[in-house]
Amino acid sequence: DAGVIQSPRHEVTEMGQEVTLRCKPISGHDYLFWYRQTMMRGLELLIYFNNNVPIDDSGMPEDRFSAKMPNASFSTLKIQPSEPRDSAVYFCASRRIKTDTQYFGPGTRLTVL
Amino acid sequence: SQQGEEDPQALSIQEGENATMNCSYKTSINNLQWYRQNSGRGLVHLILIRSNEREKHSGRLRVTLDTSKKSSSLLITASRAADTASYFCATDRSSNTGKLIFGQGTTLQVKP
Repeated sequence: DAGVIQSPRHEVTEMGQEVTLRCKPISGHDYLFWYRQTMMRGLELLIYFNNNVPIDDSGMPEDRFSAKMPNASFSTLKIQPSEPRDSAVYFCASRRIKTDTQYFGPGTRLTVL
Repeated sequence: SQQGEEDPQALSIQEGENATMNCSYKTSINNLQWYRQNSGRGLVHLILIRSNEREKHSGRLRVTLDTSKKSSSLLITASRAADTASYFCATDRSSNTGKLIFGQGTTLQVKP
C-alpha cells in the first residue's frame, strides 16, 4: 500500500493568496483527518470526515479555512486568503473503521510570506 | 485544546540507556496511543493501550497506564541512535469518533 499521500510537500506563497492542500487516504479507510502542527500550538485537529462526510470541524480556525472530501480517495484543505500565521505543517491522516490506529501522510510545509 | 501534557519536553541519553517519557491527560479515555515523529516526517503509530489495560509491551517498548492518575508512561529499553525522534501521546475518548487529542510531545535524542 502506498500510504497516505499529500501534495504538495512544500508550498511557499504570499499573504492573500489561495492555498490548496491535497490528500489521498489509504484505500479502504473510512476516516480522514486534517491536522496542523506548529511549535507554539503543537498538533491540532482541524477537521475530520467519516465516509466523506465532515463530522467535526470545530478545530478549523476561521472561515478562511475550508475542507472537502468529494470522494473516498481525495480531500482538500483550502485557505483563502492565506496569512503569515497560517504557516505550519499540515498533516492528513486516515483510519479504517473499527480500528484505532491513524496513518499519517508526510505533511505539507506551508510558508506564507 | 491539548488533552495530554508530556514530560519531559526534551530528553538526551546515551545509546544503550533506557528512555522514559510520561503523559498526563485530563478526561476519561477509551484508549491512549503513542506515536513517533522523525524530523520532517509524519507521525507513526507505535503502540496502543486500552483503558482496561495496565501494561503493554511491543519489542523494546513498554507502556503503562494508570487511569486513576490519568497518566501513562512510555519506556524504550536499550535505546539506539535511530530512536532519536519526537514522541507523542494521544488520547481517544471514544472509539466511535476516532478523534485523537495529542500532547505536546517529548523530543528524544540518543547519542551514539
